[in-house]
Amino acid sequence: KQEVTQIPAALSVPEGENLVLNCSFTDSAIYNLQWFRQDPGKGLTSLLLIQSSQREQTSGRLNASLDKSSGRSTLYIAASQPGDSATYLCAVAGAGSYQLTFGKGTKLSVIP
Amino acid sequence: GAVVSQHPSRVICKSGTSVKIECRSLDFQATTMFWYRQFPKQSLMLMATSNEGSKATYEQGVEKDKFLINHASLTLSTLTVTSAHPEDSSFYICSASFGGRGNTEAFFGQGTRLTVV
Repeated sequence: KQEVTQIPAALSVPEGENLVLNCSFTDSAIYNLQWFRQDPGKGLTSLLLIQSSQREQTSGRLNASLDKSSGRSTLYIAASQPGDSATYLCAVAGAGSYQLTFGKGTKLSVIP
Repeated sequence: GAVVSQHPSRVICKSGTSVKIECRSLDFQATTMFWYRQFPKQSLMLMATSNEGSKATYEQGVEKDKFLINHASLTLSTLTVTSAHPEDSSFYICSASFGGRGNTEAFFGQGTRLTVV
């Protein structure tokens, strides 16, 4: 059974800092990995999708990497802003099933 | 990205009544839609997968007679919580994909906060 772990559970940084969020998964047989953002009481916004054959994806100040063999992904956020404050979720789509398995998320607070 | 609309965003109902939640893909045809439940400070848990025109596939431990899913068209799936009880209070989120097998991106609705009193 796939398990997804996100570390840290919570992170507080001053505005302008670069930061890294970590995601690990136990079964490397995946189709893809997605990073999402969730604001309190809201749905999920897709940030980046990395296919299993890719090693990284970039969108603006966000860069996500994938090391499938070691079961790890990182989300790098450059020059953080207070508007980046949210919970970031990592999810993997398994090769044997097309459901997403989610981590519990990292709650990010960017202090002005 | 594609847009998925979920309605209502919040609903309060009395114990014993039924509640219907709608999930619509606004600008694409979703062959597969997924329903998740999220408890406070917990991860999203998949409840069921629905494919247009066929019966939903429920995850282990999810009561199919309590959580009725209908996917009548390529743009609409509904989740009906029947005979709701306070323990059904939760945040329900749907997602939709262009196709199956996990190679496609999942787009999520805004979620529905259900409170059963």
